[in-house]
Amino acid sequence: SQKIEQNSEALNIQEGKTATLTCNYTNYSPAYLQWYRQDPGRGPVFLLLIRENEKEKRKERLKVTFDTTLKQSLFHITASQPADSATYLCALRSGSARQLTFGSGTQLTVLP
Amino acid sequence: EADIYQTPRYLVIGTGKKITLECSQTMGHDKMYWYQQDPGMELHLIHYSYGVNSTEKGDLSSESTVSRIRTEHFPLTLESARPSHTSQYLCASSSDFRGGQETQYFGPGTRLLVL
Repeated sequence: SQKIEQNSEALNIQEGKTATLTCNYTNYSPAYLQWYRQDPGRGPVFLLLIRENEKEKRKERLKVTFDTTLKQSLFHITASQPADSATYLCALRSGSARQLTFGSGTQLTVLP
Repeated sequence: EADIYQTPRYLVIGTGKKITLECSQTMGHDKMYWYQQDPGMELHLIHYSYGVNSTEKGDLSSESTVSRIRTEHFPLTLESARPSHTSQYLCASSSDFRGGQETQYFGPGTRLLVL
């Protein structure tokens, strides 16, 4: 069956370090993969999209990689700040699917 | 900040009551979605619409119903609320695929508690 897996445990890192979050998927052939940020009690907010033919995408302190052979995306936040503390969701859509499917998310806490 | 609104933000209601959760967007998006999310859990798609008079059920079975009479409005109704319906309900919208890509914009959510 199709499955999206993100770091099951919460991730705590020290301010200024790089946070790396993982998204693995099985039985998908995604046309693209997205990352969203969700704060407590609020809806997710789109951050980045990476296409199947792209290896890496950057936006300010964010970097996303996409390895379709490993079926994995890595999401990096460099020079992390306490304000980056949130839950980060990956979402993907197969070429044949009509909707996005979301992972369960990884809760990140950046400690001052 | 996305122009998508949900009301009410919080709702506490007794078992058996009929409720309607409102969702409106001012972006002119054709596609709209309803998700259900329990604390710390993943989003589950319960309904979606690709345009006026088009509604379909999502992956997660739900006793709720939706309607899409106007592009900007996508209300969700529960005819008889039960404690098992307690959850957070998130509405989202997106534009037509551009080059096969779709980004969803979410509302702030409605947190429902059924006693």
